[in-house]
Amino acid sequence: AQKITQTQPGMFVQEKEAVTLDCTYDTSDPSYGLFWYKQPSSGEMIFLIYQGSYDQQNATEGRYSLNFQKARKSANLVISASQLGDSAMYFCAMRTGGFKTIFGAGTRLFVKA
Amino acid sequence: NAGVMQNPRHLVRRRGQEARLRCSPMKGHSHVYWYRQLPEEGLKFMVYLQKENIIDESGMPKERFSAEFPKEGPSILRIQQVVRGDSAAYFCASSPVSGATNEKLFFGSGTQLSVL
Repeated sequence: AQKITQTQPGMFVQEKEAVTLDCTYDTSDPSYGLFWYKQPSSGEMIFLIYQGSYDQQNATEGRYSLNFQKARKSANLVISASQLGDSAMYFCAMRTGGFKTIFGAGTRLFVKA
Repeated sequence: NAGVMQNPRHLVRRRGQEARLRCSPMKGHSHVYWYRQLPEEGLKFMVYLQKENIIDESGMPKERFSAEFPKEGPSILRIQQVVRGDSAAYFCASSPVSGATNEKLFFGSGTQLSVL
C-alpha cells in the first residue's frame, strides 16, 4: 500500500532560522515523484518542490530544498532563512505510476518574530 | 485568470439538500481531480476524471456522491442528500497530462461546504 507519513503536527521556528519538516513514504513502485505543497490560511494549495525517485541530486527551489534519502524512504523539506510568511500548513505528497497523488496529514509551521 | 476556478467558494446546505460544486480546469488541462479536506487533515483523493470519462473513483463514497466532466463546461462534484459529515473543503486540481510521476497538480481555491 502507498502511504505518506508526516509525524509533526506542529512546528515552531524562529524567524531567519532554518527548519526541517519530516516526511516518510511507502511504495513498492520503483518510479515515483515526491512533492511538497504549502497551504496558507487563505486555503489555496501552492506547489513548492518536486523530487523524482531516480534523481541523483536533492531538489532545490530558492529557500526550499528537499532532503531525499531513498534507502530510508524519507523526503524532508528544509526551509532556510524562515520568514513570517512561511507560517502555513505543509503537505508532503507522492505520485506513482497510477493517477493518484496522495497526501500526508500535514505539518503546521509557526514562524516566530 | 487562467488558473483553476472553483465555485462557489462557500456553500451552505441543510441536511437532505443537494450540493453541486463546480471546477473549471486550467486552460489546456483535460485531467481533473477532486479532493476532500477535513479540518486539520490532509487531502483525501476522491475521483479522477478526463473529459467525459471517470478514470478512478476509488476514493468517492458509493452513495450520494457523483462526479462528471462533460465535453463542454466545468467538472461537477454532486453530493445528494447532504449530511453533517459532508462538511469539508473540497478541492479541485487539474493537470495537462496524466500518468507521469513528475506531474504536479494545479489547485483551485476550494469550496467550503457547510451542512447545517
